[in-house]
Amino acid sequence: DVKVTQSSRYLVKRTGEKVFLECVQDMDHENMFWYRQDPGLGLRLIYFSYDVKMKEKGDIPEGYSVSREKKERFSLILESASTNQTSMYLCASSFFPHTLYQETQYFGPGTRLLVL
Amino acid sequence: QKEVEQDPGPLSVPEGAIVSLNCTYSNSAFQYFMWYRQYSRKGPELLMYTYSSGNKEDGRFTAQVDKSSKYISLFIRDSQPSDSATYLCAIKVTGGGNKLTFGTGTQLKVEL
Repeated sequence: DVKVTQSSRYLVKRTGEKVFLECVQDMDHENMFWYRQDPGLGLRLIYFSYDVKMKEKGDIPEGYSVSREKKERFSLILESASTNQTSMYLCASSFFPHTLYQETQYFGPGTRLLVL
Repeated sequence: QKEVEQDPGPLSVPEGAIVSLNCTYSNSAFQYFMWYRQYSRKGPELLMYTYSSGNKEDGRFTAQVDKSSKYISLFIRDSQPSDSATYLCAIKVTGGGNKLTFGTGTQLKVEL
């Protein structure tokens, strides 16, 4: 079974703090993703990575950065947390499929972040 | 206009009912279609995927795609309380890497 784990289920931080969210997958997947999920807005892609030390901006990268030093680990960094970054953060991973459409993203359980 | 539109619900049905969940999309380049299920306080998990117009069946679940109308549906037969979850459609562009565009999700509650 694929397992994607996230370092915290719940996190409370203060405005201006630097926040690290960690994600680890155990299936040797090439691709890793960070999303945020908000009511009425669904899942929005923040950043993704196809390989170690590689990163691509998603749809809403502002205020975030990422780090992928090892294949199994993908970190999301909030350089200076703000209240509008209060959200559910979901990490996902996937492998390059043998066929183009055979794509599955496996999600972690999510981290609920509250910025006060 | 959002690229993928999905009615957020909530949708409440009695046990045993047939449930129809729907998404519309605007980008003709979308070619691959998925449905994810998300239980409360959990991450989404893939339920079904398809890439062609028509129906695909898996047990009590049927995914339907109509590319001419840019409309996708998920039908659940003989719905059970354990089907209570949020259902998200997700769509991918051909050659668009592994980026998915998600709908906002429809919250379903199946009542005893």
